[in-house]
Amino acid sequence: DQQVKQNSPSLSVQEGRISILNCDYTNSMFDYFLWYKKYPAEGPTFLISISSIKDKNEDGRFTVFLNKSAKHLSLHIVPSQPGDSAVYFCAASEEGGKLIFGQGTELSVKP
Amino acid sequence: NAGVTQTPKFRILKIGQSMTLQCTQDMNHNYMYWYRQDPGMGLKLIYYSVGAGITDKGEVPNGYNVSRSTTEDFPLRLELAAPSQTSVYFCASSYRGQGNQPQHFGDGTRLSIL
Repeated sequence: DQQVKQNSPSLSVQEGRISILNCDYTNSMFDYFLWYKKYPAEGPTFLISISSIKDKNEDGRFTVFLNKSAKHLSLHIVPSQPGDSAVYFCAASEEGGKLIFGQGTELSVKP
Repeated sequence: NAGVTQTPKFRILKIGQSMTLQCTQDMNHNYMYWYRQDPGMGLKLIYYSVGAGITDKGEVPNGYNVSRSTTEDFPLRLELAAPSQTSVYFCASSYRGQGNQPQHFGDGTRLSIL
């Protein structure tokens, strides 16, 4: 019974185009949502987060949108670059800062 | 600036053996976490600690033990290794246990149990 789901295991986009990664959740009590990026043989690194009371947060090329009624969030990367190729994890924060992760989406940005 | 350091990076164990995965952080963070990641899956919380001397179970604690005697160190102990514990283990830390305080992760320990 997964509380956080990323239904697309992989995504391939052309350099310069937009990448959109999606995430769904079931628990309306989550207070923050975070995106982490992971390269092979490294630990996840924090990318961007959004409070459950907001609907958008932007940081440079990265924007996260939150649709609370649909229990859905998405990460937009514009423009996509080859260095963005990695696995992206969506995570939801619950009490004590404990994170519940989705399965991850592997993004491949082709030159 | 080392951040979160995990040792060893790789280990192969035989069924029934025991070992300790080490984790240390130099950021003076109060909160520390242990996760495991199985192939094709997200990270799952094993144990966490809100400060020295305080630990609590996460989603998948069976077969593991932890201790937190100092702010810096949070070792994870496997007492009787089983094939189901083959996984990549990540340690993480944060200053506070709040969603707006991102966790910093180590580079993981890849553990195989044969």
